[in-house]
Amino acid sequence: GENVEQHPSTLSVQEGDSAVIKCTYSDSASNYFPWYKQELGKRPQLIIDIRSNVGEKKDQRIAVTLNKTAKHFSLHITETQPEDSAVYFCAAVVGAGSYQLTFGKGTKLSVIP
Amino acid sequence: EAGVVQSPRYKIIEKKQPVAFWCNPISGHNTLYWYLQNLGQGPELLIRYENEEAVDDSQLPKDRFSAERLKGVDSTLKIQPAELGDSAVYLCASSSGQGARETQYFGPGTRLLVL
Repeated sequence: GENVEQHPSTLSVQEGDSAVIKCTYSDSASNYFPWYKQELGKRPQLIIDIRSNVGEKKDQRIAVTLNKTAKHFSLHITETQPEDSAVYFCAAVVGAGSYQLTFGKGTKLSVIP
Repeated sequence: EAGVVQSPRYKIIEKKQPVAFWCNPISGHNTLYWYLQNLGQGPELLIRYENEEAVDDSQLPKDRFSAERLKGVDSTLKIQPAELGDSAVYLCASSSGQGARETQYFGPGTRLLVL
């Protein structure tokens, strides 16, 4: 089955700096890659997603890049703010036809004021 | 638009007791998912429903876990009997289309503690 590796597991940045979280996946047929933000004790919330026919997508301070050849995708947060502090999960669809989202283990981002 | 609703939010039981979780998906969403999230881990799929049909239950431990979605709307997940290792957060999610390419919206989860 699909395997999604996420790095780093923890990340601390100063407010205003950028944060980058990277994920790799194993199944070359995967074609949908969402990113979720989960604050402590709350539900995972979709913040951005990318489909395999696109190399990059941006939404204000958040961007995601996808390299299908290398099978990796990354989340970029610019001008970080304290409210960006949370656990971020990447995910990938398990191949064509199975429709199963496989999540990474998460990155705990701390933005230091 | 109301989000995915789950109850209870917290549950503490003794091992070997039964427990049930309830989920009400977003109105109109015909795909419903149950996930298990252990501390410090990402969600792991237990079962996926398309309307009332369980189309992927390969990850559901069928010796003690069961689920149903009788009318294709609300769903319940049951554990009987519960074990210490079942302590985790049980998340429900729904999406509007078939397949995971459609955005999955998560509920707040039920945090289960088995003593």
